[in-house]
Formats: sequence, C-alpha cells, structure tokens
Amino acid sequence: QVQLVESGGGLVKPGGSLRLSCAASGFIFSDYYMTWIRQAPGKGLEWVSYISGSGSLIHYEDSVKGRLSISRDNAKNSLYLQMNSLRAEDTAVYYCARMRTPMYYFDLWGQGSLVTVSS
Amino acid sequence: EIVLTQSPGTLSLSPGERATLSCRASQSVSSNYLAWYQQKPGQAPRLLIYGASSRATGIPDRFSGSGSGTDFTLTISRLEPEDFAVYSCQQYGSFPYTFGQGAKLEIK
Repeated sequence: QVQLVESGGGLVKPGGSLRLSCAASGFIFSDYYMTWIRQAPGKGLEWVSYISGSGSLIHYEDSVKGRLSISRDNAKNSLYLQMNSLRAEDTAVYYCARMRTPMYYFDLWGQGSLVTVSS
Repeated sequence: EIVLTQSPGTLSLSPGERATLSCRASQSVSSNYLAWYQQKPGQAPRLLIYGASSRATGIPDRFSGSGSGTDFTLTISRLEPEDFAVYSCQQYGSFPYTFGQGAKLEIK
C-alpha cells in the first residue's frame, strides 16, 4: 500500500526541539524527492523544505532556515524534520509529501502530525 | 515570492451545479507549474490537478483545470456531495513554493 505516515509531533515549550518522522511504504523511496508542508490552525498551507532522492539537494523556506533541518534515511524509507529553537508560530500540522519529478508537484501526502509550541 | 490569491473565499452551491474557483498569481507562474488540491476536515490534501490542466491519477473528469501565466481556474462541472471541501492552489515553479489561502466550497 502506497502511503506516508508521520509521527513525532506533540507539545513543546518555546525554544525547545522536536524531531518529526515520515515512514514511506509501497514505492521506491530513494527515487523520489520528498517535502514537508505545514498548516497552522485555521490557516492555509505553507511549504517548509524539500530534499532530493539522494539527499544531496535541499531547499528551505526562509523563515525556517537555521532552525529546521530536513534529512532522510533511504535504507529505512524514512524522512525526518529536526525542529530546533521552536517558536509559537511554528505551531501547525506538519505533512510530509512525495514530489513527482520532473515537475515537482506533491502527489502523495501523509495524514499529518500536530506540533504545538506553547509554555 | 509569488503570492496566490484565491477567489471567492467561500462558494455556496448545490449538488449538480457547476463550480468555478479562481487563483491569481502576483507574477507569472513558471512553466504553468500550478497545482490544485482538495482538503476535507481532518484529512490531508489530495492532489487534483498539476501543470495547470492535467488531472492526477484517479481524479474524476468532472474536475478540470485551465489557465496560464497569472490566472488559473479550477472547474467542477457537476458537483457531487463529496466535492464540498476546501480547495487550494499552489505554484511550484519558483522558490519558495507557495499556496493560495484556500477556498471553501460549501453546500447551499
């Protein structure tokens, strides 16, 4: 079954850290670019970061540069988002998604993982 | 950054009617790399349209996308009960990738 399943969300204090995981199944994970998108409560979608299949190419949205770090382990079919120096405005549901090359649209999404940053 | 503005913000229609949703970009979308997603409460977004007009796998042909440059449209030819949801456009032609604010399609 082709799917993505996120985990690792939860409640964290401002300035704290959290690591999200996204487990992929049903497709050749290493063949695909992967991405993280977030959605703050009641707000629209916001792209966060992407990583190439090999992990050699990475892009971030400006507001998360230096605080969020994307990575992947192709042997484990897993994508990660390390989140440091968290702020209240990072509170959101975080989705991982598969990118369809060469056009780079997002054709498969996980169900999301809620991250709440609050004291 | 390309800002995508969707209109209307909310569209109230009845099953069987035609829905037309607009997405306007603040500058031209490179290669018409524009996608449309459907999202229902508590669910992940689902890809409907990519490349402005190509339907994703498994998407019914009542969904169609059109447009180029800065003006794009999603049309649902005949609304089914399951089509009432929030629809978002997204450009993936230049960084940062950006989404519209979303448009709610509700039952009248």
